[in-house]
Amino acid sequence: EDKVVQSPLSLVVHEGDTVTLNCSYEVTNFRSLLWYKQEKKAPTFLFMLTSSGIEKKSGRLSSILDKKELFSILNITATQTGDSAIYLCAVEGNEKLTFGTGTRLTIIP
Amino acid sequence: SQTIHQWPATLVQPVGSPLSLECTVEGTSNPNLYWYRQAAGRGLQLLFYSVGIGQISSEVPQNLSASRPQDRQFILSSKKLLLSDSGFYLCAWRPLRGRGHGEKLFFGSGTQLSVL
Repeated sequence: EDKVVQSPLSLVVHEGDTVTLNCSYEVTNFRSLLWYKQEKKAPTFLFMLTSSGIEKKSGRLSSILDKKELFSILNITATQTGDSAIYLCAVEGNEKLTFGTGTRLTIIP
Repeated sequence: SQTIHQWPATLVQPVGSPLSLECTVEGTSNPNLYWYRQAAGRGLQLLFYSVGIGQISSEVPQNLSASRPQDRQFILSSKKLLLSDSGFYLCAWRPLRGRGHGEKLFFGSGTQLSVL
């Protein structure tokens, strides 16, 4: 059975801090790992990672994948209150995506 | 461009009543379709996925069922709702592999179901 574990489950930091969110996985026939941000309803796509060691970057957010150790991290630098959300990690094997339980990030002004 | 519609946005149903949530995709053909459930404060649990008309794969044994009567229509149903069926239900689609967009999943706006 495919498995995705995210840590921490929740995180509260002050605006301006840097945070690192973790995602480890066990999946058959790995194809890709995706990060999503969920603020209210539908999750919105952040990154898709398929190769080890290649950092994906978008503004203050960045992510990297380690296929040997089976994990990924999502970094957010200079956090803002708008970064408050649940961050979901998902891994694809075969035809489906398996999601982790998410990390609830709260940014205090 | 492709869009996904999911309705209703919120639903309050008594225990034992039937359920039907509908999801349709526009602007694409032969999509992979998915139903996820998210309990409060939890991640997304895959309930069903479909790679074609009439093809349904179930991930967890439960009180729910899914059907795909048309290529771009995916329906989540129950004959008798339980209290434990309460949650946030998300429909999602993804192109068949090789049609672009990588493996990115596109989500509908979700249905908040409360069973009382």
